[in-house]
Amino acid sequence: KQEVTQIPAALSVPEGENLVLNCSFTDSAIYNLQWFRQDPGKGLTSLLLIQSSQREQTSGRLNASLDKSSGRSTLYIAASQPGDSATYLCAVRTNTNAGKSTFGDGTTLTVKP
Amino acid sequence: NAGVTQTPKFQVLKTGQSMTLQCAQDMNHEYMSWYRQDPGMGLRLIHYSVGAGITDQGEVPNGYNVSRSTTEDFPLRLLSAAPSQTSVYFCASRRDGSYEQYFGPGTRLTVT
Repeated sequence: KQEVTQIPAALSVPEGENLVLNCSFTDSAIYNLQWFRQDPGKGLTSLLLIQSSQREQTSGRLNASLDKSSGRSTLYIAASQPGDSATYLCAVRTNTNAGKSTFGDGTTLTVKP
Repeated sequence: NAGVTQTPKFQVLKTGQSMTLQCAQDMNHEYMSWYRQDPGMGLRLIHYSVGAGITDQGEVPNGYNVSRSTTEDFPLRLLSAAPSQTSVYFCASRRDGSYEQYFGPGTRLTVT
């Protein structure tokens, strides 16, 4: 059974700092991995999706990498801003037919002005 | 497009009551799913549907029913609410062949 872990559970950084969020998974036979952002009391917003054949994806100040062999993904946020404060979740899909995803618990990021 | 919409946003039920959480999407997505989010457990899949008339169980289906009579709607029914069903419920959809999921804003349910 796929298990997804995100460490740390919470992270606080000063504005302007570059930071890395981690996501690890136990079954490396994944189909894709997706990073989401969740603001308090809100739904999930997709940030980046990496297919299993890809090593990284970039969108603006965000860069997500994938290393299937080690069962890890990282989300790099450059020049963090207070508006980046949110919970970041990763989700791994291993079954292409049913499309079931396994989610991590998330890392809650606080960027202090 | 409104995207994925969910109603109600908040609900309080007494143990044993039944209710239906509504989910609708206007993107003509084939695939829809229901998750619950609980502290320390991430999002867990309750039920999903790959198209109108087709539903299947996810990881935690007990105590919930679904139906998919149209492409747009995917309601989740709680048959007899229990305190263990206190959670935040999210509906999601995606196009068949696409792997990006779109989520609704969630329904916060409390069962007393």
